[in-house]
Amino acid sequence: AQSVSQHNHHVILSEAASLELGCNYSYGGTVNLFWYVQYPGQHLQLLLKYFSGDPLVKGIKGFEAEFIKSKFSFNLRKPSVQWSDTAEYFCAVNVVSSNTGKLIFGQGTTLQVKP
Amino acid sequence: GAVVSQHPSRVICKSGTSVKIECRSLDFQATTMFWYRQFPKQSLMLMATSNEGSKATYEQGVEKDKFLINHASLTLSTLTVTSAHPEDSSFYICSARGGHGNQPQHFGDGTRLSIL
Repeated sequence: AQSVSQHNHHVILSEAASLELGCNYSYGGTVNLFWYVQYPGQHLQLLLKYFSGDPLVKGIKGFEAEFIKSKFSFNLRKPSVQWSDTAEYFCAVNVVSSNTGKLIFGQGTTLQVKP
Repeated sequence: GAVVSQHPSRVICKSGTSVKIECRSLDFQATTMFWYRQFPKQSLMLMATSNEGSKATYEQGVEKDKFLINHASLTLSTLTVTSAHPEDSSFYICSARGGHGNQPQHFGDGTRLSIL
């Protein structure tokens, strides 16, 4: 079965530090990839997505992610985090051939940014 | 745009009660809605997928008679937890997407269900 793994469960950074959150998936076929963010007390929001084309995708709020097909990875990055980036981050994968739109989520990473 | 409203946000009720949760797409037509369950400090687990006008497709291990899903219109899906027990206490989240193919899902705020 397909699965998504986020390596970091809890990350603590100071403001202005650089961020990289790991995401790996297990599926050999074509996938669409997503990063969602959940701020405290709010619903999940789409940060960015990859469907095809340039493997380096830019999202909202200065986030970007790089799809490396050979590594089955879609790591999320931000050069300089802010206190307001404190949230839960979820990586998700959709298997294109299923044509169901179903998302398989990773376990989530809690990011805490200290002012 | 793409707002999904989920109601109620929190429910506390006695064991044996049935609880209905509504999920509405406010500014788009949701051809597909998804229901997830999230345990503390764990990921979202897909429970079922519902397409407007057809029966929901349940994931393995999810009791369809326990978790009744109705998707009667392009803007509304409901999840009814029948005869709820304490082990059903959880955070339930719906999402919706318009069109077909692999459009992104838009999520509701979730419902915290607590069964006493």
